Amino acid sequence: QKEVEQDPGPLSVPEGAIVSLNCTYSNSAFQYFMWYRQYSRKGPELLMYTYSSGNKEDGRFTAQVDKSSKYISLFIRDSQPSDSATYLCAMTPMDSNYQLIWGAGTKLIIKP
Amino acid sequence: DSGVTQTPKHLITATGQRVTLRCSPRSGDLSVYWYQQSLDQGLQFLIQYYNGEERAKGNILERFSAQQFPDLHSELNLSSLELGDSALYFCASSLDYRVTGELFFGEGSRLTVL
Repeated sequence: QKEVEQDPGPLSVPEGAIVSLNCTYSNSAFQYFMWYRQYSRKGPELLMYTYSSGNKEDGRFTAQVDKSSKYISLFIRDSQPSDSATYLCAMTPMDSNYQLIWGAGTKLIIKP
Repeated sequence: DSGVTQTPKHLITATGQRVTLRCSPRSGDLSVYWYQQSLDQGLQFLIQYYNGEERAKGNILERFSAQQFPDLHSELNLSSLELGDSALYFCASSLDYRVTGELFFGEGSRLTVL
């Protein structure tokens, strides 16, 4: 079993829809949770960053962490065709000796 | 533009050969990370250098090696190449050694082994 599970998709939704992307994890020591966005033929770029449990909002994006369920989510409101990309979750414990553990990435397609 | 430069962008070579991938980190960043991304394995951490010293090692094969030079650029050497080494290789950089900060990725080097 992988430490971080993420449905690879693809997930196809119409423009304007609310998108929910999710990751589950098994290591209860994870404290830092990140979402990276990767466009085709590009490197990943940091989208959202949360520490511990709770919600964080940035424009149309909301990151949610539920540590009791070991579950994180990224919500995209009013989705746009430009949001079409692969979304990767990544997480790590507080210990600086640990590297990021990555999900496989979910390919998202927003249809105009 | 992340500020991280990787060369070459594309590389086609044969099994058994050796290649070198190069990375220039973002100005001011001291840490360099190498990642391998393939369709069935996702993003796999290979190795991290911080200010010229190896900081952490991941799933890096013995046929692969890396180094970070005094000017902070880094090279990833892949030898005795096999078909399964075909993948995207990303370099990322960050300000310090902690991964809890943002990693800035280059556009990757696509390696095809025939």
